[in-house]
Amino acid sequence: NAGVTQTPKFQVLKTGQSMTLQCAQDMNHNSMYWYRQDPGMGLRLIYYSASEGTTDKGEVPNGYNVSRLNKREFSLRLESAAPSQTSVYFCASTLGGLGPNTEAFFGQGTRLTVV
Amino acid sequence: AQSVAQPEDQVNVAEGNPLTVKCTYSVSGNPYLFWYVQYPNRGLQFLLKYITGDNLVKGSYGFEAEFNKSQTSFHLKKPSALVSDSALYFCAVSPLGRGGYQKVTFGTGTKLQVIP
Repeated sequence: NAGVTQTPKFQVLKTGQSMTLQCAQDMNHNSMYWYRQDPGMGLRLIYYSASEGTTDKGEVPNGYNVSRLNKREFSLRLESAAPSQTSVYFCASTLGGLGPNTEAFFGQGTRLTVV
Repeated sequence: AQSVAQPEDQVNVAEGNPLTVKCTYSVSGNPYLFWYVQYPNRGLQFLLKYITGDNLVKGSYGFEAEFNKSQTSFHLKKPSALVSDSALYFCAVSPLGRGGYQKVTFGTGTKLQVIP
């Protein structure tokens, strides 16, 4: 049971560099999410994809772009990394909307440092 | 705007003692409420949720949570703490109704330390 797989686990970037964080789920879930986790701030939603073919901004989208490549994969791209984007990034997926059987499944996270 | 408050950054408890991790919330209408746990270098894992019904919700690993509408609280409890319960715990809230996890607001987390 792989669940939600994120790559890479760790990354160091120089300011201005670009990179793509990859996320894949094997649970046939419809909805996928990207969060960042910063000390003292909990999880904040960057972008989400309610279903294949759709993406929407979350709470903190500036400096990021996303692609829902297919039902399984949802990538997050930093076009020009900034030190403020140093964080731990989590991908998550859910079967669908909120309801009695809803729980989110999270990947192990990507620890990104921008120097 | 909805919000979640976890007033304690860290909770220390001796192994075998009961534990409580506090959470209060603010949301329009009735809430969905969740607890998630994060072990070191891992993603969040679902523990339990409240939607409607019995105010006492039972979840994974012997945890339970009590929904109190008048106090807008959803405290996480366990009768007897284990060292392996040491982790970061997140409370989350969403308004009841249609929509996805984009409507969920997470708290800042409480670090639980169980002392042998």
